[in-house]
Amino acid sequence: QKEVEQDPGPLSVPEGAIVSLNCTYSNSAFQYFMWYRQYSRKGPELLMYTYSSGNKEDGRFTAQVDKSSKYISLFIRDSQPSDSATYLCAMTIYTGNQFYFGTGTSLTVIP
Amino acid sequence: DGGITQSPKYLFRKEGQNVTLSCEQNLNHDAMYWYRQDPGQGLRLIYYSQIVNDFQKGDIAEGYSVSREKKESFPLTVTSAQKNPTAFYLCASSPDRGTDTQYFGPGTRLTVL
Repeated sequence: QKEVEQDPGPLSVPEGAIVSLNCTYSNSAFQYFMWYRQYSRKGPELLMYTYSSGNKEDGRFTAQVDKSSKYISLFIRDSQPSDSATYLCAMTIYTGNQFYFGTGTSLTVIP
Repeated sequence: DGGITQSPKYLFRKEGQNVTLSCEQNLNHDAMYWYRQDPGQGLRLIYYSQIVNDFQKGDIAEGYSVSREKKESFPLTVTSAQKNPTAFYLCASSPDRGTDTQYFGPGTRLTVL
């Protein structure tokens, strides 16, 4: 079983839609959770970072962590064509240690 | 500007040649990482280093070597023993047990001719 599972998509939505991206994990020791956005042929860019259960909001993005279910989500409100990218979830026991990544979900927002 | 730099952006290598990819960070991070990214396979960890002069193998270390002589630098050598080296290589860094997380460089695209 992989440490982190993520649906690879691809996911295609109309502009303005609410997007939900999800990851599940198996290691209950994970404490830090991240979402990265990666455009084609670029390095991943950190979008959201949290180390507690619950919701964290930043503009149109909301990260949700449910440690009891070992499940994290990223919600994108009012999606824009510029949101078209691959989204990677990642997690670790503590920073400085090994990070574990999902395989990424490819998102296309259609104008 | 604080950040992570990788050079070159594109690299071409003939079969049988070793090649070294550069990674430098000025974030004062203790830990540095090298990943390989192939289409449909996500990020795979090659090596990581939590402190100067120490590093650990990741999931796919065979055919690669690293050094960590300075905190700011973590070069990756792709040796001729790596059977399928054409890929996108990403360097990252993070603090050790801090409140910040992992950040990535822009990547190097290596193509073996």
